[in-house]
Amino acid sequence: EAGVTQSPTHLIKTRGQQATLRCSPISGHTSVYWYQQALGLGLQFLLWYDEGEERNRGNFPPRFSGRQFPNYSSELNVNALELEDSALYLCASSRGLDTPQETQYFGPGTRLLVL
Amino acid sequence: AQSVAQPEDQVNVAEGNPLTVKCTYSVSGNPYLFWYVQYPNRGLQFLLKYITGDNLVKGSYGFEAEFNKSQTSFHLKKPSALVSDSALYFCAVRDIRMDSSYKLIFGSGTRLLVRP
Repeated sequence: EAGVTQSPTHLIKTRGQQATLRCSPISGHTSVYWYQQALGLGLQFLLWYDEGEERNRGNFPPRFSGRQFPNYSSELNVNALELEDSALYLCASSRGLDTPQETQYFGPGTRLLVL
Repeated sequence: AQSVAQPEDQVNVAEGNPLTVKCTYSVSGNPYLFWYVQYPNRGLQFLLKYITGDNLVKGSYGFEAEFNKSQTSFHLKKPSALVSDSALYFCAVRDIRMDSSYKLIFGSGTRLLVRP
């Protein structure tokens, strides 16, 4: 069974540009979570999508947004990039909606570098 | 507020010796606890979880974790460490409040270094 996949693996942008990151969940999973792993800040929850809807978001500005498609894949968009957006962005999926004991399985991440 | 603490930034152990990576938590209600491992330039790999039941949870790659409610701890253990266990380990608690999305709240991570 294929795991969570993310693309691209690396992304280099300049300040002010927009970045689009993509995630495909494990087959049968309907929930997709996005996390940011920035140096010195640890792993922070960004967004949760389930059945095509945004269910919750973390403490991030509105320029972080995304969507979930009918096939449950997801896209994270970051507008007006800032230097501090440089981080590893991790996508996770789980069966949803949702029971707390369900495990979130993570993809390999997209490393975003903002110059 | 829900939180997780990993008091050690790094744990050093010799190959073949037992290892322990510490985690304490603070939650309201019953905790759902998880351990993940991250190898360099990789995502997080799930190791094990505690939901309910036996306090000793067995997971992948020979790892196990002991849930201790009175000490609010969920320490990760392995009887005999391997050099290949060297990685970054994260403890996480699932926030199960209805308005919280069941997101994972992570500790700061502990780097495990197993020397030959």
